[in-house]
Amino acid sequence: EVRLVESGGGLVQPGRSLILSCAASRFTFRDYGMYWVRQAPGKGLEWVSGISWNSGSMAYADSVKGRFTISRDNAKNSLYLQMNNLRDEDTALYYCAKSPAGAEGGFLDYWGQGTLVTVSS
Amino acid sequence: DIQMTQSPSTLSAFVGDRVTITCRASQSISTYLAWYQQKPGKAPQLLIYKSSSLQSGVPSRFSGSGSGTEFTLTISSLQPEDFATYYCHQYDRSPFTFGQGTKLEI
Repeated sequence: EVRLVESGGGLVQPGRSLILSCAASRFTFRDYGMYWVRQAPGKGLEWVSGISWNSGSMAYADSVKGRFTISRDNAKNSLYLQMNNLRDEDTALYYCAKSPAGAEGGFLDYWGQGTLVTVSS
Repeated sequence: DIQMTQSPSTLSAFVGDRVTITCRASQSISTYLAWYQQKPGKAPQLLIYKSSSLQSGVPSRFSGSGSGTEFTLTISSLQPEDFATYYCHQYDRSPFTFGQGTKLEI
């Protein structure tokens, strides 16, 4: 079965940076679009960013555009989220998720268990 | 951006009930709508995609319908394991937004 394991979360001060990683296994990573979705404590789901199978297309939520950068390394079966200029409101559990298609948009058929990012001074 | 509005926000029901959750899009999204179930402390799981297609392994008591701006998720006979929070998700146009969630409780 598809396996997605996020890492890199932690406590970080406002204005600082953090890089999240997602290690994918048990499927052909290079064929599929991948996403980041976050969930603030006690709140709903927020789509953050998506990337196509070949990194040819990326998309971002307005709330993170210009601060976050999504990328992938198909040779390492890994997805990344570079988060710069972090704000208190970026505090959330960040999920890595997979699409059944290759584009940067689509529904999400598998999810990781998430990595927690806490932005606080 | 396309806004997704779910109703109700909370739904109280009993085992065996038939329940319906509605999701409205602020503009037409054709049938590019998915539904997810999330239980406390767990990652969301895909139930329905393309408005009405049942994800493999999901019980047939779950069904979806709709197109354009109005969509529904129906559970035909609630089971104890169905008490969870449900989210709709439009994937027609970036940014690919979620509804605010519907908590289904006893």
